[in-house]
Amino acid sequence: SQELEQSPQSLIVQEGKNLTINCTSSKTLYGLYWYKQKYGEGLIFLMMLQKGGEEKSHEKITAKLDEKKQQSSLHITASQPSHAGIYLCGADRGSQGNLIFGKGTKLSVKP
Amino acid sequence: EPEVTQTPSHQVTQMGQEVILRCVPISNHLYFYWYRQILGQKVEFLVSFYNNEISEKSEIFDDQFSVERPDGSNFTLKIRSTKLEDSAMYFCASSIQSNQPQHFGDGTRLSIL
Repeated sequence: SQELEQSPQSLIVQEGKNLTINCTSSKTLYGLYWYKQKYGEGLIFLMMLQKGGEEKSHEKITAKLDEKKQQSSLHITASQPSHAGIYLCGADRGSQGNLIFGKGTKLSVKP
Repeated sequence: EPEVTQTPSHQVTQMGQEVILRCVPISNHLYFYWYRQILGQKVEFLVSFYNNEISEKSEIFDDQFSVERPDGSNFTLKIRSTKLEDSAMYFCASSIQSNQPQHFGDGTRLSIL
């Protein structure tokens, strides 16, 4: 079965610093989703990537999909305390929207 | 912005009792999902629902679980006889198409005593 591995598991950065979170799949990626979760709350959709080489940006967050490497990265530029939370990658297994998720990367941003 | 709403936010139930978790998906969405997240673990897929029937379910979704869309707006998850291991956060999600982003509710925290 397909697995998603996220790295790092947790990250503490100083406000203003850049950071990257990686998500690697054990199988071919049909679609890759990035979500943000605050503790005890729901998942907030960030971005969806569907094609190899695709790159999307929203405000200070950029996500890329390397289909050949079965990997996606999420890059945050000039981090702010509002970026703190748990970032989850989710993969579409090519079926009826059945998503699998990685364990998440917990991001803390120190003011 | 439209959102998925779930009720209740927290449910405490005795083992063996039935629970119904409720969700109101985004109004123009056609695909509905339930996921669960046991404390400290990954978010896990339970079931997807389209056109008034289950389109896919996971191994977790056994005979104790059922889903229903009783009217044009609600989507419910029923657990017939709860077990201690059913304690988790349950998330409802909806999407306009199966290959489009799923939007999640804030979840129902289910605690089985």
